[in-house]
Amino acid sequence: ETGVTQTPRHLVMGMTNKKSLKCEQHLGHNAMYWYKQSAKKPLELMFVYSLEERVENNSVPSRFSPECPNSSHLFLHLHTLQPEDSALYLCASSRTANSGANVLTFGAGSRLTVL
Amino acid sequence: AQSVAQPEDQVNVAEGNPLTVKCTYSVSGNPYLFWYVQYPNRGLQFLLKYITGDNLVKGSYGFEAEFNKSQTSFHLKKPSALVSDSALYFCAARQLSGGYQKVTFGTGTKLQVIP
Repeated sequence: ETGVTQTPRHLVMGMTNKKSLKCEQHLGHNAMYWYKQSAKKPLELMFVYSLEERVENNSVPSRFSPECPNSSHLFLHLHTLQPEDSALYLCASSRTANSGANVLTFGAGSRLTVL
Repeated sequence: AQSVAQPEDQVNVAEGNPLTVKCTYSVSGNPYLFWYVQYPNRGLQFLLKYITGDNLVKGSYGFEAEFNKSQTSFHLKKPSALVSDSALYFCAARQLSGGYQKVTFGTGTKLQVIP
């Protein structure tokens, strides 16, 4: 395990469902991130949280709603998704959000399929 | 805007031969450059980074990368490939944006090491 745990690992949902992805880190990091990984595309940064405050919302549709209740937990709430939202959603953390030398530690990802 | 390019979707190399995975970048100012590796059904793992100093950076699992400022490249290399090196490799650049360090990833290069 890398220190960043994501659940569930696989999720299949209909377009009208509401579900949530969960991310947990016990590394003592202060920054957490959501990325979307689609085949043949660069990783897309979705959201950045620093000390539980959202510092980046990268033009993500409102059907994705993040929540960071504390520095160890990050959620991505999903509702009325589209089939093109099917992808691997990766959570990552780093010591801080504003140091260039910081390394990202990734979870294994949640594979989302929208029917 | 910063960008990272990985010109090869896939690189095939025979086991025991040297390997190179190419990366070029476009950032303003001094770049912070990274390589990450992703094994099947896993998140990305950090391999190595260039912040400053020696142009040849050594990382995990015998990998190294050469920073070339004039060619704006940061190619990943290994003297002797192993079958277990087969994975997806991502180059990334980090730059300050809006008060936090924004990481831009390339599209990834699939490395296939042939026994």
